[in-house]
Amino acid sequence: QLVLTQSPSASASLGASVKLTCTLSSGHSNYAIAWHQQQPEKGPRYLMKVNSDGGHTKGDGIPDRFSGSSSGAERYLTISSLQSEDEADYYCQTWGTGGVFGGGTKLTVL
Amino acid sequence: EVQLVESGGGPVKPGGSLRLSCAASGFTFSRYSMNWVRQAPGKGPEWVAYISSSSSDIYYADSVKGRFTFSRDNAKNSLYLDMNSLRAEDTAVYYCARGGFCSGNRCYYSYFDSWGQGALVTVST
Repeated sequence: QLVLTQSPSASASLGASVKLTCTLSSGHSNYAIAWHQQQPEKGPRYLMKVNSDGGHTKGDGIPDRFSGSSSGAERYLTISSLQSEDEADYYCQTWGTGGVFGGGTKLTVL
Repeated sequence: EVQLVESGGGPVKPGGSLRLSCAASGFTFSRYSMNWVRQAPGKGPEWVAYISSSSSDIYYADSVKGRFTFSRDNAKNSLYLDMNSLRAEDTAVYYCARGGFCSGNRCYYSYFDSWGQGALVTVST
């Protein structure tokens, strides 16, 4: 069964960097995923697609501070030079027999 | 600029029906698959339904299968979600989201690269 696993929470200081992880279930390590950001009281926003080889394709207007990478069954979202507006929920998502979402990581900027 | 605008949300009683619409602009609508994704209060997103560019393939989440019907009108750049036999657990913000590019009968996987602003559906007595 295709499942995406994320840590429920993460925190980092203003101006620092943070790396969020999304883990694909066994047997699905070659799947691409997408990262979506949801700021408080707003709808989701597509950030990027991350392939199994680490290549990533960002959405329009997504700052260079956001980047993606991969290692095995793990897909990463790295945010550098953290700003207050980066405080949000981050969801990874992939496609199996339908859309599949991870449980989300709530990022707190200290 | 890609724009997706949902409409038709509102309150409805359990067992009732509602139709959501999504108006698309800023891209060649007829060349893309499309999806509905919902988000219950305080929860993460949940994929609801998929439709290919030509409507030849339509898929539903088990939670809505047999109650919801997804359709599209490429001439009007619009999507529709007909929701019947609504339950309290269908209460959510419903988003339309763009899927993958389609060529012939093949559509690339959906990574929801554009989202609408959402329409709130509240199922309650």
